[in-house]
Amino acid sequence: DGGITQSPKYLFRKEGQNVTLSCEQNLNHDAMYWYRQDPGQGLRLIYYSQIVNDFQKGDIAEGYSVSREKKESFPLTVTSAQKNPTAFYLCASSTQGGELFFGEGSRLTVL
Amino acid sequence: RKEVEQDPGPFNVPEGATVAFNCTYSNSASQSFFWYRQDCRKEPKLLMSVYSSGNEDGRFTAQLNRASQYISLLIRDSKLSDSATYLCVVNMGGNKLVFGAGTILRVKS
Repeated sequence: DGGITQSPKYLFRKEGQNVTLSCEQNLNHDAMYWYRQDPGQGLRLIYYSQIVNDFQKGDIAEGYSVSREKKESFPLTVTSAQKNPTAFYLCASSTQGGELFFGEGSRLTVL
Repeated sequence: RKEVEQDPGPFNVPEGATVAFNCTYSNSASQSFFWYRQDCRKEPKLLMSVYSSGNEDGRFTAQLNRASQYISLLIRDSKLSDSATYLCVVNMGGNKLVFGAGTILRVKS
């Protein structure tokens, strides 16, 4: 089945630790995205990539980093510089027309 | 001003009611627009794309007003199962897809 796979689904981290969230797609989409969602709020764009080896900052990129070495993969690292990292993280890829396909999300909790 | 704005609601409506949501956007050059539905603690799912001429899918109608820079979603004959958060998405250019904060709909029997 084609789709977006995110892992892990749940993650706990201690303050000061970096953590990397995985996102893999087999839809052959060029564009991929990372969004953050806090309780009761909408999705905010962290980073997006239109093509391999290229990515752009979204509206809340501080404290995060990404890479796009392969078309299928767009991992997100939440660094210790991110002050409030506890959130629901959603990865997506999009068709050329802009339709987004999402993974099931990763819930990160900082203890 | 936020790039994409929605009334957060909640909209509390009885079954069978007609309800409409609006979503305003700041970039007049935006070319593509979408409505997504999100259920609690789940990922968003595409409800419908919004075309310049407007489009309808069963009980749902989406429209675009370029002059006033907003899109709308109309739901007729509301069902209990329509209860969810409705998110608008705007392509701000260069495939930068920005979400509104979402509008909560609660349909009650």
